[in-house]
Parts: sequence; C-alpha cells; structure tokens
Amino acid sequence: AQSVTQLGSHVSVSEGALVLLRCNYSSSVPPYLFWYVQYPNQGLQLLLKYTTGATLVKGINGFEAEFKKSETSFHLTKPSAHMSDAAEYFCAVSSNTGNQFYFGTGTSLTVIP
Amino acid sequence: ETGVTQTPRHLVMGMTNKKSLKCEQHLGHNAMYWYKQSAKKPLELMFVYNFKEQTENNSVPSRFSPECPNSSHLFLHLHTLQPEDSALYLCASSREARGTYNEQFFGPGTRLTVL
Repeated sequence: AQSVTQLGSHVSVSEGALVLLRCNYSSSVPPYLFWYVQYPNQGLQLLLKYTTGATLVKGINGFEAEFKKSETSFHLTKPSAHMSDAAEYFCAVSSNTGNQFYFGTGTSLTVIP
Repeated sequence: ETGVTQTPRHLVMGMTNKKSLKCEQHLGHNAMYWYKQSAKKPLELMFVYNFKEQTENNSVPSRFSPECPNSSHLFLHLHTLQPEDSALYLCASSREARGTYNEQFFGPGTRLTVL
C-alpha cells in the first residue's frame, strides 16, 4: 500500500525567503515521487519527479526536491520565494508496479510581500 | 489545441438533470483518468482507462458513468446527482497506466455545482 502525508496544510513565507514544503510517503516498493502545483481555477502542473538515479531533482520555476529513502521524505524547496509561487502544492507517489497515483492533501503556499 | 482540454469549464445542474463532461488529450497518450477534487479533501481517483479499457473504478456511485470511445477522448456522464457531488472534476492522461509511464498531465477541470 502507498500513501502520502503533507505536513502543514498552509505555509506562509516572505518574498525572498526559503520555501520548504514537506512530504513523507509510505510505500512497500521503490516509489516514484512527484510534486504538482495548482494555481487557482487551473488543473495540476508537474513541477518535478523522482523515478530513479540522482536523488536531488530539479524542476521548473527554481524548485527542487530531494529523495531521502532513510527518512521516507521528498520535501520541496526553493531558495527564494516569489509572489507568483503562491499556489496549492501536491505531493504524489506511484510505483513501477502500480497504476495509481496517491496524492497528499495539498499545501497552500502564501507569499507575503 | 495542446495538452489536455476539458469542457465545459463550469456547469450548474439540478439533481434531476443529465449532463456530460468531456475530456480530450492531444498528447498521444493511452491512459486517461477522472479525479474529483473537493475542498479540504485529497484528490480522489474515480476511474482509470488504459488503452480504452477501464482498469479502475474506485467505488464510484453509479450516478457517475464514464465512457472512453478512444484513447483521446473521455466522458463522464452525470445523472441524478446530489449536492455533495459539487466539486472540481479533473481529467488527466498519461502515456500508459503503469509504472514510470503513468506521469500524469492534467486538464483545467470542470467546476460542477449541483443545486
């Protein structure tokens, strides 16, 4: 069975500050991990993904995430927040043997000017 | 058109109406998905189609009826819905519905309100 936990349903940061959105997963098989962003009234857009290989993954808009197997985590970071980063962020897990995505409940990011 | 499109973007219907949501993908994918997104709840996977065959039905009430006539089109037929069915309905597609090929691309969603 697979599941995703996103700690913190709401995160606020100041413009220019570090963004850290937390994601922990459980999976009985090697996971594939994803971060999606959803802007108001839009669908989900892929930010980045981890399948195999390098554990530090770089995505669009300056975001990156690191797969840490020992901590079962895949936290999303960005060194300097921009106003345009305000959105809902979803972590998701899948696997090589499964045909489903399991999404977290999402984290709403607010950027304060 | 590129990516995944959904029509209509907004729909208001009464509980006795019959309506359909349409999704079309222009990515050459073979798998398509319907999700329900309600406020303060995780995304709920409703149906999965892989090469036009339904592979998942996550205990969705029969008032929701999917149809996948080909790999590019997916419909969700709605009838006798309840107010709690009001939500954003998202369509997604992927190369295939398995493993590394199931990275999903989403449409903008249909905002459904049931009165």
